[in-house]
Amino acid sequence: AQTVTQSQPEMSVQEAETVTLSCTYDTSESNYYLFWYKQPPSRQMILVIRQEAYKQQNATENRFSVNFQKAAKSFSLKISDSQLGDTAMYFCAFMIPSGSRLTFGEGTQLTVNP
Amino acid sequence: GAVVSQHPSRVICKSGTSVKIECRSLDFQATTMFWYRQFPKKSLMLMATSNEGSKATYEQGVEKDKFLINHASLTLSTLTVTSAHPEDSSFYICSARDEGDQPQHFGDGTRLSIL
Repeated sequence: AQTVTQSQPEMSVQEAETVTLSCTYDTSESNYYLFWYKQPPSRQMILVIRQEAYKQQNATENRFSVNFQKAAKSFSLKISDSQLGDTAMYFCAFMIPSGSRLTFGEGTQLTVNP
Repeated sequence: GAVVSQHPSRVICKSGTSVKIECRSLDFQATTMFWYRQFPKKSLMLMATSNEGSKATYEQGVEKDKFLINHASLTLSTLTVTSAHPEDSSFYICSARDEGDQPQHFGDGTRLSIL
């Protein structure tokens, strides 16, 4: 069974600064997908970024990038130039190919302060 | 992008009534749909997985007679909370995915309050 751990229940950052959210996972699979989802106060789940385990290159989406360390089973999210709208709960998630179900971490509440 | 519509967004009803929540994929065919429950400041808890035309697969501890799931078409799944009680009050979220290894796309959720 897969597990996903987010060890930071809460974090805060000043507007325009950079913040990194941590995520570790445990699996015996060699091929899988990792995701970061954002859930703002509206509670809508928004896909932020996706990483395929077989790709060595770290995924990036504008101000969002990941540091994927497969050997260490680590998948951190870096948010650059933080904006007030980035305030949200962030969930790290794991999925095996064709398995379809997502395994979520417990989440990190990020607050961006003006 | 892929859009999932969930309705209603908010329900308040009396104890003992049944409540139906709909989840629709608007611009893609969802071979698999998922239903989650989320408590305040907690992660999403998977309740069941449904595939079009077949019975839903429930997670351990989820009462299948309490939470009825129907996935009658490739664009619609429904969750019916039968004989709802205050302890069923929660935030319910659906998601859907196409074939292959596409990510799940989520509805906006339903806040259910049982008085």
